[in-house]
Amino acid sequence: DAGVTQSPTHLIKTRGQQVTLRCSPKSGHDTVSWYQQALGQGPQFIFQYYEEEERQRGNFPDRFSGHQFPNYSSELNVNALLLGDSALYLCASSRGEGQGYGFNQPQHFGDGTRLSIL
Amino acid sequence: DAKTTQPNSMESNEEEPVHLPCNHSTISGTDYIHWYRQLPSQGPEYVIHGLTSNVNNRMASLAIAEDRKSSTLILHRATLRDAAVYYCILRAYSGAGSYQLTFGKGTKLSVIP
Repeated sequence: DAGVTQSPTHLIKTRGQQVTLRCSPKSGHDTVSWYQQALGQGPQFIFQYYEEEERQRGNFPDRFSGHQFPNYSSELNVNALLLGDSALYLCASSRGEGQGYGFNQPQHFGDGTRLSIL
Repeated sequence: DAKTTQPNSMESNEEEPVHLPCNHSTISGTDYIHWYRQLPSQGPEYVIHGLTSNVNNRMASLAIAEDRKSSTLILHRATLRDAAVYYCILRAYSGAGSYQLTFGKGTKLSVIP
């Protein structure tokens, strides 16, 4: 059973460009969350998708957007890249609460996409 | 979200028990306590969670103080593979979907052979 897969694993972009990161959730999971992890820091919540809609959002600008597809996979888009966007981007999947699975379902993380901005 | 306080780093000898503390003095009655860990070059990994009672699973035990203002993650026999950053998190549920995790800096655990 494949876990959460993210692509690409590494990416180098220049300031002002746009980037799309992809995530396939663990089988049976319908909720996808994205996190940004700067070097030496804990992950910071960007947003969460459930039923193809953005349900929750952290303190990130509109340059960060996303999408969830009917097969539950997800994309994270970042426009007008800044040097400060250099980070590890993590995707986590889980079962949506209130769907009969109970609360506090563990979130399963992928190993991330390392984005470097030059 | 309620905040947690953890030591920046801890050391343990291999095959000895490890007690990782977490303070959360502003926890509310409905906040669950979650622990995740992040091994080098990997994404975070769920370890355990609890509300009031102590909890055990195959990875670890979670001891929760009676007033819930602190908790301790217990690894019964540390192995080299347990060297990681351990995050204590109070979950915030915000409706449909799942909860968001608010990570701090965590505790970096080093295991000495």
